[in-house]
Amino acid sequence: SQQGEEDPQALSIQEGENATMNCSYKTSINNLQWYRQNSGRGLVHLILIRSNEREKHSGRLRVTLDTSKKSSSLLITASRAADTASYFCATEVGGNTPLVFGKGTRLSVIA
Amino acid sequence: GAGVSQSPSNKVTEKGKDVELRCDPISGHTALYWYRQSLGQGLEFLIYFQGNSAPDKSGLPSDRFSAERTGGSVSTLTIQRTQQEDSAVYLCASSQLGTGELFFGEGSRLTVL
Repeated sequence: SQQGEEDPQALSIQEGENATMNCSYKTSINNLQWYRQNSGRGLVHLILIRSNEREKHSGRLRVTLDTSKKSSSLLITASRAADTASYFCATEVGGNTPLVFGKGTRLSVIA
Repeated sequence: GAGVSQSPSNKVTEKGKDVELRCDPISGHTALYWYRQSLGQGLEFLIYFQGNSAPDKSGLPSDRFSAERTGGSVSTLTIQRTQQEDSAVYLCASSQLGTGELFFGEGSRLTVL
């Protein structure tokens, strides 16, 4: 079953704008991760945020986690055409359990 | 190699035939995962191997699907008597225990005619 659900399903923005994607999940988690997938390729890990963390940065990426609302957001600042991809959140419920992925947000950045 | 390697990258088969998909994880990674991704969809968990523990097979959609991992390294996903609804990209990933981060292969695209 799907643990995480991303919102919106698709997002189209102009180069230079910020892109915000949201993820909601249903059960308590150990950590939440964001992955990127270029068309026809495998997924690439972007960032991991643990359940006791509220915000994390990596370059132009900012991830927040609100465990009370069971939600996370991924912000990409100053977007570039090369950021065009699908972005997935994934949750780890326990230490020895597989990651459960959402359906993803398709981001298009128009030059 | 440095990354997760999957083969074949593309497989076209006829309905009813058996297929085998191979995954070569990153050396030293104890955990190995198989996911399935249908066109434009998210990832559906299939099976998870962790060290010498019994695999978590809870995601396998039917008994036509099976997987093994030999010597704690290479894994083979086998689909018997393929059906058209099996058409998808099959993704393999590996990770080091405790890090949480998954490293994915490029996937095997299966088309069942």
